[in-house]
Amino acid sequence: ETGVTQTPRHLVMGMTNKKSLKCEQHLGHNAMYWYKQSAKKPLELMFVYNFKEQTENNSVPSRFSPECPNSSHLFLHLHTLQPEDSALYLCASSQEELAGAETQYFGPGTRLLVL
Amino acid sequence: GDSVTQMEGPVTLSEEAFLTINCTYTATGYPSLFWYVQYPGEGLQLLLKATKADDKGSNKGFEATYRKETTSFHLEKGSVQVSDSAVYFCALSDLGSSNTGKLIFGQGTTLQVKP
Repeated sequence: ETGVTQTPRHLVMGMTNKKSLKCEQHLGHNAMYWYKQSAKKPLELMFVYNFKEQTENNSVPSRFSPECPNSSHLFLHLHTLQPEDSALYLCASSQEELAGAETQYFGPGTRLLVL
Repeated sequence: GDSVTQMEGPVTLSEEAFLTINCTYTATGYPSLFWYVQYPGEGLQLLLKATKADDKGSNKGFEATYRKETTSFHLEKGSVQVSDSAVYFCALSDLGSSNTGKLIFGQGTTLQVKP
């Protein structure tokens, strides 16, 4: 399944670095999402974009900055992160439907380690 | 608010054993219910879903029935294989609440199947 791709797959960065995660969906969907998956915690929704507009910011610290230039691409810009930000960052996309039963399609994730 | 509770893992079974992973939910609106699976090193994949009460979702030998009276969506499989070893996530999407379009995940249950 290559509908949603994420790069890089692995990233190690220092607390003073600036890096970006990239997500691309090839499914023609209109909504994209960033999730954080930490060990022994439920998936945490971070941001939602619908038709390139941010519709959800789930109280995410400002050191995480999303960007959605078009419906197919989503970025997560990282700066001055903390070690506790180390996690798997998952991107997903969906086609919003009135029925509200849309399926989200996930990318493989970027494994981030902050030193 | 809306929430999903799964049985804690890990669940360890022998090949060909019967599997049940419990999932219960609380929701204020009209949720759709999902099971996602995450194989090692990969992102989440939709396993099955049900959009209304008494619906049964099924895929790859897995089944789950939407039980409104018990607010449950338990995952079952009659005969597990080693290849089913993964983390299973129960989730809901609630059309009738402020969480429209958002997936609320349980904490995940790790399944280990031994030969």
